Amino acid sequence: NAGVTQTPKFQVLKTGQSMTLQCAQDMNHNSMYWYRQDPGMGLRLIYYSASEGTTDKGEVPNGYNVSRLNKREFSLRLESAAPSQTSVYFCASSLSSGGVFGELFFGEGSRLTVL
Amino acid sequence: RKEVEQDPGPFNVPEGATVAFNCTYSNSASQSFFWYRQDCRKEPKLLMSVYSSGNEDGRFTAQLNRASQYISLLIRDSKLSDSATYLCVVKESWGYQKVTFGTGTKLQVIP
Repeated sequence: NAGVTQTPKFQVLKTGQSMTLQCAQDMNHNSMYWYRQDPGMGLRLIYYSASEGTTDKGEVPNGYNVSRLNKREFSLRLESAAPSQTSVYFCASSLSSGGVFGELFFGEGSRLTVL
Repeated sequence: RKEVEQDPGPFNVPEGATVAFNCTYSNSASQSFFWYRQDCRKEPKLLMSVYSSGNEDGRFTAQLNRASQYISLLIRDSKLSDSATYLCVVKESWGYQKVTFGTGTKLQVIP
């Protein structure tokens, strides 16, 4: 009963290094999302994928890229990490389709520190 | 003004108490409303949706006031296990990706 699985759970990077956060869901959901959570800021949408083959920018996309590899997998890449990207990253999925919003199911989070 | 505003708390209440949280939203065209619960260092999970007529799930009651643009969550007979951060979530009327999270209200239930 995995749901949404994110890896890695913890990562420490140096400024300028790159890395990819992986996310997979086994609920056959159409939509997948990447959020970041910072103290006092709430969850903010970085990118989302409404369906397989499509991706769109969210509220804070700068410094990130995404790939919807297939219906199950949605990865987030930091090309050149900056200290401002230190955060907790959550992947989520939902059965949203046709504009109808479904419940968001979140992964356990990935804690990233950029030194 | 933030799109979704919540009192960050913490609300420290004794077991068995009733506690209420409010959340205000700025966009009058907002369509759907939810309460999520987030335990410390865990992921958010849906607690309940909020319907125009109000809805109840056991000890939890959610209400929507469109005229004043706020939603509320009432927890009766608080349990220690209710200690968590409660996130107000608002969906705009266009597209289904525009979902805004509040910063959350922290509840600590004390024995």
